[in-house]
Amino acid sequence: RKEVEQDPGPFNVPEGATVAFNCTYSNSASQSFFWYRQDCRKEPKLLMSVYSSGNEDGRFTAQLNRASQYISLLIRDSKLSDSATYLCVVTLKSSGDKLTFGTGTRLAVRP
Amino acid sequence: DTGVSQDPRHKITKRGQNVTFRCDPISEHNRLYWYRQTLGQGPEFLTYFQNEAQLEKSRLLSDRFSAERPKGSFSTLEIQRTEQGDSAMYLCASSPGGGGQPQHFGDGTRLSIL
Repeated sequence: RKEVEQDPGPFNVPEGATVAFNCTYSNSASQSFFWYRQDCRKEPKLLMSVYSSGNEDGRFTAQLNRASQYISLLIRDSKLSDSATYLCVVTLKSSGDKLTFGTGTRLAVRP
Repeated sequence: DTGVSQDPRHKITKRGQNVTFRCDPISEHNRLYWYRQTLGQGPEFLTYFQNEAQLEKSRLLSDRFSAERPKGSFSTLEIQRTEQGDSAMYLCASSPGGGGQPQHFGDGTRLSIL
């Protein structure tokens, strides 16, 4: 079983749509959680950290359910510029905060 | 630009050659990480440094790979006797260290083995 699992997609949605990505992690000792965004042939860029209380940044909302070991990302009012791969990431404090990535979920927003 | 910088951006070499990549982290970031990413996969951890000390190495890092961070600033990753399977994007990231702080990535070095 992979440490971090994501649906690879692609998710193909029209502009203005709401889209949700899910991610599960296997290690219950995971401590920090992030969503990174990666454009084609570019480096990953931090989109947002994920907190147990849930957090929102503009059109993006992230949720963490520690009991179910489940992380989600909701994108509202999708823009063409949101087209990218979204990487779910967890860390273990005991491992120097090294990042463990899912394979990523591809999103394509069409006009 | 005060972000993480990597050099070169692209490297094409023949199988069996040695290659070396450089990473300059964000100033005063204590931690420096190396990852490798192949097509269709998320990045995979290779190794990390706390200042000049290399604290962890992944099983992915065979004995052909070596990384250094001699003065706790820039880092180099060397691959000896390259193989086809080494073709990947090599990403460097840095963070202030501790407390689950997010890591910031460089543009990466794309390695192609002929």
